[in-house]
Formats: sequence, C-alpha cells, structure tokens
Amino acid sequence: DVKVTQSSRYLVKRTGEKVFLECVQDMDHENMFWYRQDPGLGLRLIYFSYDVKMKEKGDIPEGYSVSREKKERFSLILESASTNQTSMYLCASSLWGRQEKLFFGSGTQLSVL
Amino acid sequence: QKEVEQNSGPLSVPEGAIASLNCTYSDRGSQSFFWYRQYSGKSPELIMFIYSNGDKEDGRFTAQLNKASQYVSLLIRDSQPSDSATYLCAVTPSGSARQLTFGSGTQLTVLP
Repeated sequence: DVKVTQSSRYLVKRTGEKVFLECVQDMDHENMFWYRQDPGLGLRLIYFSYDVKMKEKGDIPEGYSVSREKKERFSLILESASTNQTSMYLCASSLWGRQEKLFFGSGTQLSVL
Repeated sequence: QKEVEQNSGPLSVPEGAIASLNCTYSDRGSQSFFWYRQYSGKSPELIMFIYSNGDKEDGRFTAQLNKASQYVSLLIRDSQPSDSATYLCAVTPSGSARQLTFGSGTQLTVLP
C-alpha cells in the first residue's frame, strides 16, 4: 500500500521558533509537494520538488524553505514561525508525468502561539 | 480574482438525488482538470480527471468540461450518505505542468 508519512499529526510551537516538518514517501515518486490548507482558502502550494536537491516555489513560499536531500524525503522549514503560519500542512507526492495523481500524507496541524 | 472558484456550500441533497458541484477557472490555457474528495479530518484523494470538452463517466460520477466557458462540474448520481465530503476542484495552470491549483472546495452533505 502506498504511503506518505508526515512526522507529526499535531505540533505546537512558539513565535520565532524554527520549525521542521518532515515528509517521507515509500513509492519512489519523483515529485513531492508541500501545501497548506486553511478554511475558505483551500489548498495552497508552498514549494515543490521534482528531483533530489531541486526545488521550485509555489504560490506562497514566503516565510518557508524546503530541503530534499534524498528522493524519499521532503522537509518544510519555517525559519521563524509566526502566528499566521498556524495551519494544516499537507505533504504530497506523485510520479513524474502524473502530477495530477497526488498521494497525500495525513497532515500536520501546526499551531504557532 | 481567485484562479479556481467553487461554491463553498454547504450543499445538501437527499439520498438518491443528483448532486451537482461546479467550478470555474480563470486561466484559459489550463489543460487538465481534476476532482478530489476530502472526508472530514482526512486527506484529499483523486476521484476524477478530465482533459477534453464533454462528459466523462466513472460509475456514479460524471465530470463535465466546457473550456469555452471555463467551467468544469462534477455530478454524483444516486447520492449516498458516504458521499458526504468536501469536493476540491483542481486545474493544471498553463505553463506549469508540474503543479495543481486548487479551489477552496464545496462541502456536500447527503441526507439519509
């Protein structure tokens, strides 16, 4: 069974902290994505990667960075967490050329206090 | 203007009825269109995709695309309470084949 695993289901951090969200997929997918989901705003793309060490900005990259050192792992980094980054973060992966068929992780609900 | 717009709902239909979910998009160059279903507290999952104008049927689901009107819809026939979920419309923007742009979703409730 295909799997995208996010390291934490719930996370509480303080303003100004550096936050790492980890995502691992076991499907040998080339593409990996980080979205945030907020009520009324839907899913918004933060960053994506289509190869190891490659990354591209999505629609809302400000305040975030990413790291992809291995094919199966894609990390989202909040350099200095702020309250407006409180959100549900969803990691997803897909095969090269099949970007529409996203497999999502179960999400991390991040609260920044 | 949002790139992908959906009626947020909530939309309620009785069991056995047809549920109609609508989506409009602003990028005329968009080529590919998708419907994801998201149950409460769960992650989205792909249920339908359509690339060409017209209808595409898969079981009780029919996706309809009209590129001239920049409109895509999802019909669910013989709606069941298990269809109660949020339905997300997504499109591939022109010039970027690697990412999807999602609408904010329509919450559907099927009443027994």
